[in-house]
Amino acid sequence: EAQVTQNPRYLITVTGKKLTVTCSQNMNHEYMSWYRQDPGLGLRQIYYSMNVEVTDKGDVPEGYKVSRKEKRNFPLILESPSPNQTSLYFCASSLVSSGGIYNEQFFGPGTRLTVL
Amino acid sequence: AQSVSQHNHHVILSEAASLELGCNYSYGGTVNLFWYVQYPGQHLQLLLKYFSGDPLVKGIKGFEAEFIKSKFSFNLRKPSVQWSDTAEYFCAVIPYSSASKIIFGSGTRLSIRP
Repeated sequence: EAQVTQNPRYLITVTGKKLTVTCSQNMNHEYMSWYRQDPGLGLRQIYYSMNVEVTDKGDVPEGYKVSRKEKRNFPLILESPSPNQTSLYFCASSLVSSGGIYNEQFFGPGTRLTVL
Repeated sequence: AQSVSQHNHHVILSEAASLELGCNYSYGGTVNLFWYVQYPGQHLQLLLKYFSGDPLVKGIKGFEAEFIKSKFSFNLRKPSVQWSDTAEYFCAVIPYSSASKIIFGSGTRLSIRP
């Protein structure tokens, strides 16, 4: 089954304790992206990757890191989480046509993160 | 800056009522347009998309949307809503000139009274 998986689905942590949220897709998509969803703000892009070893900042990258060592995986790293990073996080992937991403994105189930 | 506006933040309807959710974008060039739906506790799923051709596109579950280029709009419609349509709806745009990211609206929460 074609899908995007995220782990963990729920996480409660404390300020400053490094954490990683994993994202994996089995559709051989070149493009992957991380979003955070907050009430009234919709989806805001954190980082995206057009292919292996190619990453770029989205609209709200501060406090986050990513890496793309393999095509299928795109982990999100919070080196020193703070309470304002409490949010619902979604990973997504998409095909890349010539020149860019024009197709729909496929979303993972989400990770609800609480930073105390 | 490129943006997508969904002016209705929360819409409450009774079952069988007609629905129209607004979406406007601020970009003058060629775009691909999408509507995504997020049912309670679930991830976003594609409802419908417009790339080119007939500006009236039909999606899943009886939804449709009309692209009006002169108004920079891509409104979502459904003639008769059901309780199961309760969800949050997101409009999204990919501008051809910067096709490395998709721009989402802030979402419209739809509540259907049984």
